[in-house]
Amino acid sequence: QKEVEQNSGPLSVPEGAIASLNCTYSDRGSQSFFWYRQYSGKSPELIMFIYSNGDKEDGRFTAQLNKASQYVSLLIRDSQPSDSATYLCAVNDYKLSFGAGTTVTVRA
Amino acid sequence: DGGITQSPKYLFRKEGQNVTLSCEQNLNHDAMYWYRQDPGQGLRLIYYSQIVNDFQKGDIAEGYSVSREKKESFPLTVTSAQKNPTAFYLCASSSVVGGFLNEQFFGPGTRLTVL
Repeated sequence: QKEVEQNSGPLSVPEGAIASLNCTYSDRGSQSFFWYRQYSGKSPELIMFIYSNGDKEDGRFTAQLNKASQYVSLLIRDSQPSDSATYLCAVNDYKLSFGAGTTVTVRA
Repeated sequence: DGGITQSPKYLFRKEGQNVTLSCEQNLNHDAMYWYRQDPGQGLRLIYYSQIVNDFQKGDIAEGYSVSREKKESFPLTVTSAQKNPTAFYLCASSSVVGGFLNEQFFGPGTRLTVL
């Protein structure tokens, strides 16, 4: 079983809709969780991190963490064409383990 | 400006040659990392270092070597033993607080092509 798994995508959403990205992880001891956005040909940039169970909101982005279910998600509200990118979930134990990413396309 | 720099941006190598990719950070981060990314794939950890003069192998260390002589620098050498080195190489760094690694910040990457 992979350490970090993301829904495979690609995910296509209309402009203004909500994009929902999911991530599960295998290590129950993981303490911190990150979402990165990566545009094609560019390096990943951090958009959200979450440490505690529940929701964390930052602008149009909401991260949700459920440690009992070993599940972390990212919601993008009011999706814009500029949100079209690959989103990487990362889980921290003694190193950062990355999922394979979910590619999101926002249709104008 | 604080950040992570990688050079060169593009690198072409002939088969059988060793090449060294540069990574420098001025964020005063203790930990540094090298990842490889292939088209349509996630990030795979090559090597990481949490302190000067110490480093550990990641998931795909074969055919690569690193050094950490200075806190600011973590160069990666791709040796001729790496059978399929064409990829996008990313360097990252993070602070360490209470033994826990904080979020990683990435450099712009080096795209290596073997001719």
